[in-house]
Amino acid sequence: EVRVVEFGGGFIQPGGSLRLSCAASGFSVSSNYMSWVRQAPGKGLEWVSVIYTAGDRYYADSVKGRFTISRGNSENTVFLQMDSLRGEDTAIYYCATANRHYDLLTGIYSYYMDVWGNGTTVTVSS
Amino acid sequence: QTVVTQESSFSVSPGGTVTLTCGLSSGSVSTSYYPSWYQQTPGQAPRTLIYNTDTRSSGVPDRFSGSILGVKAALTITGAQADDESDYYCVLFMGRGVSVFGGGTRLTVL
Repeated sequence: EVRVVEFGGGFIQPGGSLRLSCAASGFSVSSNYMSWVRQAPGKGLEWVSVIYTAGDRYYADSVKGRFTISRGNSENTVFLQMDSLRGEDTAIYYCATANRHYDLLTGIYSYYMDVWGNGTTVTVSS
Repeated sequence: QTVVTQESSFSVSPGGTVTLTCGLSSGSVSTSYYPSWYQQTPGQAPRTLIYNTDTRSSGVPDRFSGSILGVKAALTITGAQADDESDYYCVLFMGRGVSVFGGGTRLTVL
């Protein structure tokens, strides 16, 4: 069974750092695109970041320069390093597999979120 | 900055049909945005319904369907049931690795 479980959330002061982990089972993170999505309290879902199998990394403008996505192939885990945290980063952070799709007509690789974890909560407050 | 737009709320009667839409603040949505749709009930993780415009995810009943209607992506629920009452989100792939969620539609079945 394909499954992802998030760890590492907690309470952190503004300006601090936190590293989230997403442990995968039933598949290899090195062979899949992987993504992070977050949801602030009472708000909608917000795409945060994705890492491609070749190592390309992409970020939402709201986190660019502060967050870093990476993966540990031996641990079969994806990480989200969050630095310079702000109050607006308070959210539930979901990890999801990002299934790759190749469009033969356009040559474009896209992806969609497929298997989701239950999320881990990050609270940034003084 | 491009904004992905969705109706904030919608209601449907049990057994009825409802179409939720996903547009752009500027421009038209086409299959080249590879629209996907997600369902989320309060307190739960999202669930993938539709990807690549109109492909149902595994286990999703065929009363959920995706399409392009005019200049928007659309999610149609046919024969709505009580447990379809949820928040629905669309995602558009903007290219260069970036995806953007719409603001979500809260669907009420009553």
